[in-house]
Amino acid sequence: SQQGEEDPQALSIQEGENATMNCSYKTSINNLQWYRQNSGRGLVHLILIRSNEREKHSGRLRVTLDTSKKSSSLLITASRAADTASYFCATDLGYSTLTFGKGTMLLVSP
Amino acid sequence: DTGVSQDPRHKITKRGQNVTFRCDPISEHNRLYWYRQTLGQGPEFLTYFQNEAQLEKSRLLSDRFSAERPKGSFSTLEIQRTEQGDSAMYLCASSHPPGQGNTEAFFGQGTRLTVV
Repeated sequence: SQQGEEDPQALSIQEGENATMNCSYKTSINNLQWYRQNSGRGLVHLILIRSNEREKHSGRLRVTLDTSKKSSSLLITASRAADTASYFCATDLGYSTLTFGKGTMLLVSP
Repeated sequence: DTGVSQDPRHKITKRGQNVTFRCDPISEHNRLYWYRQTLGQGPEFLTYFQNEAQLEKSRLLSDRFSAERPKGSFSTLEIQRTEQGDSAMYLCASSHPPGQGNTEAFFGQGTRLTVV
């Protein structure tokens, strides 16, 4: 079963705009991770946020975590066409095996 | 390239045949994971190893699926008597275990299996 659920399922924006994707999960976690997947390819790790952290930044990425609401968000600022991909959140319950959501498909148009 | 390597990248097989996929993890990672991903879904965990020990295999989809990591380095995933429903992308990942540095998982490019 899916532990994390991303919202929206699909997002279409113009280059330069910001993209926000949300993830909700059901049980307590050790950490939450965001991944990017280009069509038909493997997953690329973007960022890991631990359960005792509230916000993390990496370049144009900003991730927040609200454990009281069991939710996380991924913000991509100043988006580029190359950001077009599917984005997945994955929860780690402490055993390092990840449970993924269905993903958000992001399309960034030039 | 020191990333996770999977072979083959694509496999087309006839229903009923056996297939085997190989994964070479990042060398300093002693955790190795197998996931399956079907179209429009996120990856689904199958099994994992710490060194040569298979610590979780209850999530393997059926007894037709098996995995090995005999020397604690590369791993193989075998599917016997393939069915059309086995068509999917099979992803391998590796990481450090909990408590030993960053535990983010690094994924290979996957093996796309098509059963005809």
